[in-house]
Amino acid sequence: KAGVTQTPRYLIKTRGQQVTLSCSPISGHRSVSWYQQTPGQGLQFLFEYFSETQRNKGNFPGRFSGRQFSNSRSEMNVSTLELGDSALYLCASSYQGSDHTEAFFGQGTRLTVV
Amino acid sequence: QQQVKQSPQSLIVQKGGISIINCAYENTAFDYFPWYQQFPGKGPALLIAIRPDVSEKKEGRFTISFNKSAKQFSLHIMDSQPGDSATYFCAGSGSARQLTFGSGTQLTVLP
Repeated sequence: KAGVTQTPRYLIKTRGQQVTLSCSPISGHRSVSWYQQTPGQGLQFLFEYFSETQRNKGNFPGRFSGRQFSNSRSEMNVSTLELGDSALYLCASSYQGSDHTEAFFGQGTRLTVV
Repeated sequence: QQQVKQSPQSLIVQKGGISIINCAYENTAFDYFPWYQQFPGKGPALLIAIRPDVSEKKEGRFTISFNKSAKQFSLHIMDSQPGDSATYFCAGSGSARQLTFGSGTQLTVLP
């Protein structure tokens, strides 16, 4: 079974630009969550999507948004990039029925804002 | 009330020794406690997880000990190997299903 695939792996953007990151979950997984990882703040939850609906959202500004498609693939978008948005963005997929199930992470997209 | 506090920040252990990482949580609604292992350039990988209805869970060299009354849990790595050198994260999750992570422990196992 293929793992969680995130594209691109690396990205360099200029302050003020916007960026879209993509995540393909494990086949059969319906839940996709996004996390931001930085040396200072650690791993922080951004949002979770299940069956194309955002079920939960972390404490991030509205510049961070996401969506999920009918095939469970997900994208996250960051508009008006700031230097502080430089981070490793991780996507995790899980089957997510009514109970907790294992969350599998992708390798992440390393975003650098200059 | 969502925090998970993890210690130590870094840990150096000799090969064959026991590595112990501790976490404490505040949110009593958490009902799922996983541990993740992360190597440089990789995403976190689930190592082992526990629910609060058991006090201990063992998988190979990895054991989680859970103390519900103290709201603490720990990871024990027996017979630590150089290949275990990585960053370890504890986490808690409740009905919202989002993972609240600890700050991470960088483990170095000396050969």
